[in-house]
Amino acid sequence: ETGVTQSPTHLIKTRGQQVTLRCSSQSGHNTVSWYQQALGQGPQFIFQYYREEENGRGNFPPRFSGLQFPNYSSELNVNALELDDSALYLCASSLTGTGFGKLFFGSGTQLSVL
Amino acid sequence: DAKTTQPNSMESNEEEPVHLPCNHSTISGTDYIHWYRQLPSQGPEYVIHGLTSNVNNRMASLAIAEDRKSSTLILHRATLRDAAVYYCILRDYTDKLIFGTGTRLQVFP
Repeated sequence: ETGVTQSPTHLIKTRGQQVTLRCSSQSGHNTVSWYQQALGQGPQFIFQYYREEENGRGNFPPRFSGLQFPNYSSELNVNALELDDSALYLCASSLTGTGFGKLFFGSGTQLSVL
Repeated sequence: DAKTTQPNSMESNEEEPVHLPCNHSTISGTDYIHWYRQLPSQGPEYVIHGLTSNVNNRMASLAIAEDRKSSTLILHRATLRDAAVYYCILRDYTDKLIFGTGTRLQVFP
C-alpha cells in the first residue's frame, strides 16, 4: 500500500471526448508526476508538478494537461481523445529534496478510447 | 536521456537466488541507478537504488560495476510473489523516470 490513490480505476470514452483523471498523493509529498503505460510497454513520463507548477514534461502534445492543488492532489486532463490514448495512466508522488528517493505509484486508471 | 538494456525475460525456481542484469553504458556521473518492479495489475514499486557503491535493503541487493556501465539486481531467495517486470532506470535530479521494457521474471514452485 503506497498511499497514492487514483480514480476512477477504469474508464471508457469515445474518440474526441475529454477526460479527467484524479490522483491523491501520499501525505506530505509535494511532487507528483504522471505516466502513460501502453499494453506491453514500460511507463512513459508525461509531466511533473512541483508546488502547483509544471516543471518537467515528456514528449506529449499540449492536449495533455494537468493541475496540482494546494493539498497536493492532482488531475490529468486529456482533450480530443484519440484511439492511441488507450492506456494505463499512473500517478506517482515523491518528496522533492530527499536525495533521489523513491517514487510511490498508484495502481493507475485504465482508459479505453473507442 | 541515458538508456538501459535488460533481457526481456528470465526464469527462476523458488528459493533460488536471481541475478537480473542491466547495461547502461551511456550513464553520466550524476545519474543514479534505480530499480522498480511492477506486479500484475499494480503500479511500479520501488526496489532499490544506488550511485557507485553496492547497496542492500530488505528486498534486494544492488551490485554496481566499478565503471558504472552495468549493474545487477540480486534477489537472494526468489518467492512466487517476486514474479514481476523489473525495470532498471537511470535517474537524474528530477522525477522523470525513463522506463524501458524491463525484464519479466517468472518464478516456478
